Amino acid sequence: DAGVTQSPTHLIKTRGQQVTLRCSPKSGHDTVSWYQQALGQGPQFIFQYYEEEERQRGNFPDRFSGHQFPNYSSELNVNALLLGDSALYLCASSLALASVEQYFGPGTRLTVT
Amino acid sequence: DQQVKQNSPSLSVQEGRISILNCDYTNSMFDYFLWYKKYPAEGPTFLISISSIKDKNEDGRFTVFLNKSAKHLSLHIVPSQPGDSAVYFCAARGNNAGNMLTFGGGTRLMVKP
Repeated sequence: DAGVTQSPTHLIKTRGQQVTLRCSPKSGHDTVSWYQQALGQGPQFIFQYYEEEERQRGNFPDRFSGHQFPNYSSELNVNALLLGDSALYLCASSLALASVEQYFGPGTRLTVT
Repeated sequence: DQQVKQNSPSLSVQEGRISILNCDYTNSMFDYFLWYKKYPAEGPTFLISISSIKDKNEDGRFTVFLNKSAKHLSLHIVPSQPGDSAVYFCAARGNNAGNMLTFGGGTRLMVKP
């Protein structure tokens, strides 16, 4: 049973560029959330997708956008990258919107230079 | 404002002894509290959760205690093992629609053989 997978593992981008990160949820899960973890801090909620719609959003600017596909996989897009966007981006999946437990992927390490 | 705080950035414990990790929160609307463990280069792994209507939940070597009046929870690991060495995150879920988690900053636990 495959867990949550994310791609790519690492990414280096230049300030001002755009980036797309991908996530496949754990088998059977239909809800995907994205978190940003800066160095030395806890993960911060970006947004959550269920039934291909954004259901909840954290305190992140519109430069951060996402999408969920019919197979429940998801993408996180970040436009006009800033140095401060350098972080570990974590994807988490759960079974149903109200499920307590979330399963996390290994993350994508984004470095903006 | 940090709604979930872990005030100890690190904790060192001898193998076989008890590890106690602490977490404080400010939002009385959280309905579930969770503990995650994170190894380097891996995503957070769910350990144990507790509903806000309970004061204790136990799973093997892990016990979580919740003191609602003090807005404080703790994770007890007994006995501690070297393999428990990791960063531990406390997280809380709001009782609105969706399962957005608010994380603390983490505590690095080192269990010495």
